[in-house]
Amino acid sequence: SQQGEEDPQALSIQEGENATMNCSYKTSINNLQWYRQNSGRGLVHLILIRSNEREKHSGRLRVTLDTSKKSSSLLITASRAADTASYFCATDEQSGNTPLVFGKGTRLSVIA
Amino acid sequence: NAGVTQTPKFRVLKTGQSMTLLCAQDMNHEYMYWYRQDPGMGLRLIHYSVGEGTTAKGEVPDGYNVSRLKKQNFLLGLESAAPSQTSVYFCASRRNLDRGTEAFFGQGTRLTVV
Repeated sequence: SQQGEEDPQALSIQEGENATMNCSYKTSINNLQWYRQNSGRGLVHLILIRSNEREKHSGRLRVTLDTSKKSSSLLITASRAADTASYFCATDEQSGNTPLVFGKGTRLSVIA
Repeated sequence: NAGVTQTPKFRVLKTGQSMTLLCAQDMNHEYMYWYRQDPGMGLRLIHYSVGEGTTAKGEVPDGYNVSRLKKQNFLLGLESAAPSQTSVYFCASRRNLDRGTEAFFGQGTRLTVV
């Protein structure tokens, strides 16, 4: 079964607002990654946070990780219409040669 | 540097026909994956490979076979297509798992089985 579960499933905000998406997972992990998918396109990697890290920043992105709650959040600040996309979390489990397991995604719509 | 290339981009099959989807990467990556994406289901792993000559089953392997004869290529085969295999298929590759690495995705293959 899928490891990650994003919340909410869909989010609609105005341009300039912040967008927060959450991801919960089931097993112990080595790292958690966030990806973005524009409609009809492949996924693009945004940011990776390791299990011993609690927070990471990249431009307008801020990711947090709480391994005790098995959850992560992705914050996009000062959103733009171009941020409209689906966002997925993915995890590498600690058990070894396991594949990257994705959640079902959050569909973000930023209205200009 | 093309990254990950999937062939074909679109295909319509009749039930019972067979086909092979090709994934090629030019980054010398060890790991390669095949996912399918259906509305509301996110990405589900079909098969994956951790190196040349090795393959393993993912979450939804039934009805599919794979081969990794060359490090740069990962083939996904449908022996007898069914309408339930109508989906968008994505291939991905990554270097290795040492300290975590990002996956690079192809642009997808949209398959319709009628």
